Amino acid sequence: SQTIHQWPATLVQPVGSPLSLECTVEGTSNPNLYWYRQAAGRGLQLLFYSVGIGQISSEVPQNLSASRPQDRQFILSSKKLLLSDSGFYLCAWEAGLRDTQYFGPGTRLTVL
Amino acid sequence: EDQVTQSPEALRLQEGESSSLNCSYTVSGLRGLFWYRQDPGKGPEFLFTLYSAGEEKEKERLKATLTKKESFLHITAPKPEDSATYLCAVHPRTRSGGYQKVTFGIGTKLQVIP
Repeated sequence: SQTIHQWPATLVQPVGSPLSLECTVEGTSNPNLYWYRQAAGRGLQLLFYSVGIGQISSEVPQNLSASRPQDRQFILSSKKLLLSDSGFYLCAWEAGLRDTQYFGPGTRLTVL
Repeated sequence: EDQVTQSPEALRLQEGESSSLNCSYTVSGLRGLFWYRQDPGKGPEFLFTLYSAGEEKEKERLKATLTKKESFLHITAPKPEDSATYLCAVHPRTRSGGYQKVTFGIGTKLQVIP
């Protein structure tokens, strides 16, 4: 069966510091991968998606970036965090044509 | 632009009191509609995918239905462990071969009281 991992689970970072969140998927090959941010009272906001190694599409221009160095690894990064980057970050995978997205446990990021 | 509106925003039920959650959507061609359950501080847990009007799916006390404009999540005789936020999302059909993102609603926060 497929499993998706995210770490860290929680993170508190000062403004201006760098960020690296990691997501890995087990039990599937060549998944579509997604990064979402969830803010209180708002729907999930798609940040990035990837259909293959090195292929990244950005949905929202901001100071975040994403990379996919391996088939089942997806990384969300920032060089300098802003207060507005605080939120709950979710990684999801999708088995291509099957459409359904399955989510990881999430990372709670607080920028102070 | 694709839109998903969920109602009510919050719902409080007594244990055993059946009810329905609504998801109204606007999309130019539906590829799939999804229901998720989300517990506080956790990632959404997949419940159902519906593809066409008239389709129904069931899982334990939950039943999801779909029309051309809305979906309902019916909860029969709920228990306290059904307390969670329920999210609805739509995936539009591909336009011009490009990726069409999934649009999520804000959710309905359900509380079931013993």
